[in-house]
Amino acid sequence: AQTVTQSQPEMSVQEAETVTLSCTYDTSENNYYLFWYKQPPSRQMILVIRQEAYKQQNATENRFSVNFQKAAKSFSLKISDSQLGDTAMYFCAFINNNNDMRFGAGTRLTVKP
Amino acid sequence: NAGVTQTPKFRILKIGQSMTLQCTQDMNHNYMYWYRQDPGMGLKLIYYSVGAGITDKGEVPNGYNVSRSTTEDFPLRLELAAPSQTSVYFCASTMDRYLFSSYNEQFFGPGTRLTVL
Repeated sequence: AQTVTQSQPEMSVQEAETVTLSCTYDTSENNYYLFWYKQPPSRQMILVIRQEAYKQQNATENRFSVNFQKAAKSFSLKISDSQLGDTAMYFCAFINNNNDMRFGAGTRLTVKP
Repeated sequence: NAGVTQTPKFRILKIGQSMTLQCTQDMNHNYMYWYRQDPGMGLKLIYYSVGAGITDKGEVPNGYNVSRSTTEDFPLRLELAAPSQTSVYFCASTMDRYLFSSYNEQFFGPGTRLTVL
């Protein structure tokens, strides 16, 4: 079975600085997708960034980028120029070809002014 | 488009009661999912559907049932509510399952907070 592990329950960062959230996963499959979702206090799940496992190039979305290491099964999220609105829970997620979607336990990120 | 809508937003049930959580999407998505999120945890997949008339179990299906009679609706049924089912329930949908498609984003509803006492 696939598993997703987020080893940092909580993190904090000063506004305008950079922070990296860690995620590792376990799977025996070769084709899959990885995601980072943001969940603010409103509870709404918001997609931050996604990565296709067959792509070597790391995904980037504005201030958000990932470091995808397929061999190490690692998928970290880097947030540059952190803003107060980035304060939220961040979940790493994995989905395979059988629609088996797994989420990590989450990292609570606080951006301090 | 309203996206994915869920009703009710909040509900308190007594042990043994039953209820149906409603989920509707207006994006013509084939794939729909039900998740639960326990306090301080990530989401866990309960059931999913790849199209009308087709459903399948996820990671934690026990105590729940689903049906998919139309593309738009994917209700989740709790037959005998138990305190262990206290959670926030999210419904989600996506356009396409194919791994080499760009359209693999799941769109989530706002969630239903359920408490079983």
